[in-house]
Amino acid sequence: SAVISQKPSRDICQRGTSLTIQCQVDSQVTMMFWYRQQPGQSLTLIATANQGSEATYESGFVIDKFPISRPNLTFSTLTVSNMSPEDSSIYLCSVDYDYGYTFGSGTRLTVV
Amino acid sequence: KQEVTQIPAALSVPEGENLVLNCSFTDSAIYNLQWFRQDPGKGLTSLLLIQSSQREQTSGRLNASLDKSSGRSTLYIAASQPGDSATYLCAVRTIYNFNKFYFGSGTKLNVKP
Repeated sequence: SAVISQKPSRDICQRGTSLTIQCQVDSQVTMMFWYRQQPGQSLTLIATANQGSEATYESGFVIDKFPISRPNLTFSTLTVSNMSPEDSSIYLCSVDYDYGYTFGSGTRLTVV
Repeated sequence: KQEVTQIPAALSVPEGENLVLNCSFTDSAIYNLQWFRQDPGKGLTSLLLIQSSQREQTSGRLNASLDKSSGRSTLYIAASQPGDSATYLCAVRTIYNFNKFYFGSGTKLNVKP
């Protein structure tokens, strides 16, 4: 299966600032997915990122808050903008590989 | 809309026991179902992937079954070990939206030495 390197693994940020999370895949993939997991909750899809086009956001998530870049078939970034304590979550990227999902190791974000 | 439920939410067993985790889904028009393991504060590790045409998949001490008609899947863990302690999540992909997995809320397993 594909191997995903996700950075940073964790961060503590001040409210009002932004954090960019990076995911690098060891093979070319068409789509990359970004998920959020709030404390004690399951995963919620934020957006789907295709190379060369705008990301598709799920209901409740907007581009101004969670801008995504997908410059090539192996790399994507998610930015969490103007952060508030409610953004404290684990953020995960994933790719579709052999019809199943492979996940990065996650970014644990705490906003203070 | 597909809804995925996992029961129980938490489970504590002594080492060596065999155990079953349950996953149910409301819409049987699935493409596949995947079981994951998540350690605290970490990402997800794929355990087993079952296509809609399959009845079960096995990997080591793990066996996952799928019954589409009843909307159920089970994950059987044989001879549990303390290292199995983690949260187990199931996720379903429907035939209507290939790009979206619907996740259950997970079962938190604690295997006591």
